[in-house]
Amino acid sequence: KQEVTQIPAALSVPEGENLVLNCSFTDSAIYNLQWFRQDPGKGLTSLLLIQSSQREQTSGRLNASLDKSSGRSTLYIAASQPGDSATYLCAVRGYGNKLVFGAGTILRVKS
Amino acid sequence: DGGITQSPKYLFRKEGQNVTLSCEQNLNHDAMYWYRQDPGQGLRLIYYSQIVNDFQKGDIAEGYSVSREKKESFPLTVTSAQKNPTAFYLCASTVGGTSSNEQFFGPGTRLTVL
Repeated sequence: KQEVTQIPAALSVPEGENLVLNCSFTDSAIYNLQWFRQDPGKGLTSLLLIQSSQREQTSGRLNASLDKSSGRSTLYIAASQPGDSATYLCAVRGYGNKLVFGAGTILRVKS
Repeated sequence: DGGITQSPKYLFRKEGQNVTLSCEQNLNHDAMYWYRQDPGQGLRLIYYSQIVNDFQKGDIAEGYSVSREKKESFPLTVTSAQKNPTAFYLCASTVGGTSSNEQFFGPGTRLTVL
C-alpha cells in the first residue's frame, strides 16, 4: 500500500529565505506527483504536476523535483514571502487512478 | 468561469440525520472524487467515479453513499451510519481516460455534528 510522508510537519522562516519541502513515497510505481497549496478553511490549489518520466517542473518561484527510483520529491520555494504561508501537500497517483496524499507541511513566512 | 462548486460551505447535522453535500463541475471532466480531511491529516478518498452511472469505493466508504447521474454532478450523502462525520469534505475532478492528468479541487464543505 502506497504511503506518503512529508517532512517537516511545520516550518517557520523569515521573509526572503529559500526553503525546501520534502515528500517521500514507498511505492515507486507512480504515474505522477502533484504539489498543492491549501489556505486555512479552503480547498486545494494545484501548484505543480510532475509526470513519472520527468525530473522537475518550474512555475515562477517554485521548483519541484522528482526522483522516482528513490521515492522522493522536493518543492523548492525561492525568496519566500508572507503570502506563501499555507499548508503544502504532495500527492502521488498510482495504479487505479487515485491520489494518495501526505499529511502536509505547514509553512509560516514571517515578515 | 470554469471550476468546481461545493455547497453548502458549512453544514450542521443532528445525530441520526442523513445529509447531502453537493458538488458540481463545469470543466467537462469525466472523473470526480470525494475526500475527507481531518485536522493534521492528509486527504482520504471516500468514493470516486470515472464515468456517469458508475462509481467505486475509496479507502473510507463506510457510512457514505454517492450517485453519478450526470457528468457534472457528484453528490455525497453522509448517512447516520457514519459515526464520526465531523470533518472537511473536498470534491475534485480530473479529465478521464488517462492517469497523467492534473486534479482540481472545489472549495470544500465543513460538516459539524451537533
